[in-house]
Amino acid sequence: ETAVFQTPNYHVTQVGNEVSFNCKQTLGHDTMYWYKQDSKKLLKIMFSYNNKQLIVNETVPRRFSPQSSDKAHLNLRIKSVEPEDSAVYLCASSFTGVEVFFGKGTRLTVV
Amino acid sequence: QQKVQQSPESLTVSEGAMASLNCTFSDGTSNNFRWYRQHSAKGLEVLVSIFSDGEKEEGRFTAHLNRANLHVSLHIREPQPSDSAVYLCAVNSGSSGNKLIFGIGTLLSVKP
Repeated sequence: ETAVFQTPNYHVTQVGNEVSFNCKQTLGHDTMYWYKQDSKKLLKIMFSYNNKQLIVNETVPRRFSPQSSDKAHLNLRIKSVEPEDSAVYLCASSFTGVEVFFGKGTRLTVV
Repeated sequence: QQKVQQSPESLTVSEGAMASLNCTFSDGTSNNFRWYRQHSAKGLEVLVSIFSDGEKEEGRFTAHLNRANLHVSLHIREPQPSDSAVYLCAVNSGSSGNKLIFGIGTLLSVKP
């Protein structure tokens, strides 16, 4: 049973809209991540948060912003989505440097 | 920057035959190597994590790491149709990196 929970599972929206994805982990981990998986299945890290501090930002467009209220939650907001944002967004968590656990992902389709 | 490549892109094996997947990386200082499996409906599932040269077995899954050759492999013993999925190799970004770099994956199909 997964301990990293993502909502929604799917989201379809129009170009220019704002979307927000939620992620919660119940493992007590101190680090959370957002990854983007494109149509070719390549996973790329977008953000990493350690105890509410942003520690990695892989030069993603400014319209993407992570939001964390505590170390168990890391949401992702996308302002003004564009067609190339269509992808699966995977949330993950870990203790620093140890095993990384992933959620099931949120599939975003921008029409 | 760490680069991770996987081969083959796709692999078809018969049920019960050994399946072997390969992964090469560019930065030999990395010390954290993982194999994940991704079923479309289940998200990513970690199969084996290996941190030093040699072999690590987890059930039917065995990882072999050779950092001098920049190579880590995954062998699946007695594969079953339910093992059909995308297999992803992940390597951390250098000796102290906590960022995982993923390969593009190998699509494994296991025929009954």
